[in-house]
Amino acid sequence: AQSVTQLDSQVPVFEEAPVELRCNYSSSVSVYLFWYVQYPNQGLQLLLKYLSGSTLVKGINGFEAEFNKSQTSFHLRKPSVHISDTAEYFCAAMTTDSWGKLQFGAGTQVVVTP
Amino acid sequence: DSGVTQTPKHLITATGQRVTLRCSPRSGDLSVYWYQQSLDQGLQFLIQYYNGEERAKGNILERFSAQQFPDLHSELNLSSLELGDSALYFCASSPRGRSEQYFGPGTRLTVT
Repeated sequence: AQSVTQLDSQVPVFEEAPVELRCNYSSSVSVYLFWYVQYPNQGLQLLLKYLSGSTLVKGINGFEAEFNKSQTSFHLRKPSVHISDTAEYFCAAMTTDSWGKLQFGAGTQVVVTP
Repeated sequence: DSGVTQTPKHLITATGQRVTLRCSPRSGDLSVYWYQQSLDQGLQFLIQYYNGEERAKGNILERFSAQQFPDLHSELNLSSLELGDSALYFCASSPRGRSEQYFGPGTRLTVT
């Protein structure tokens, strides 16, 4: 069975500082990995995805993530955050034998303060 | 705006009642997925349809059912509602052969 663990439930960060959100997964088969963002009272928006190939993935709004197979991690980073990045971030995985079933982590709430 | 629409935005109903949530996928997307987001369970996959056929089932209760119609819109039916069914219900769609899913704005269901 697969699982997705987000190691931090809340991450406070100052405006223009860097942020890293940690995500670990477990799976016995190949996985596709995703990061989604949920702004207050909105649906989920896809930030980026990793399917194969280069382990460094660039997404929207200046976010990037690195896939590390040996550490089974897919951490999300942004070098300089804005107030508007305040939101909840979800890491998700889909295995090649469960196409379509996204397994989500518990989410990380990012609070950006001036 | 993802292009996925969901109605209604909010729904308040009583225990024991039945409700129907509606979803229209993005133009051209054949796959529709339903997810439930609650405080205690987080985001959970419920069910997937592809071009009218059920493709995969997750943690969906027997009191819940779904279908996808020939025009590709989908409905999620929740019956014999309990307080614990209060949650945000999301619909998502994906392009054929692609892994990424695009989420709608959700329907917030409150059972009193």
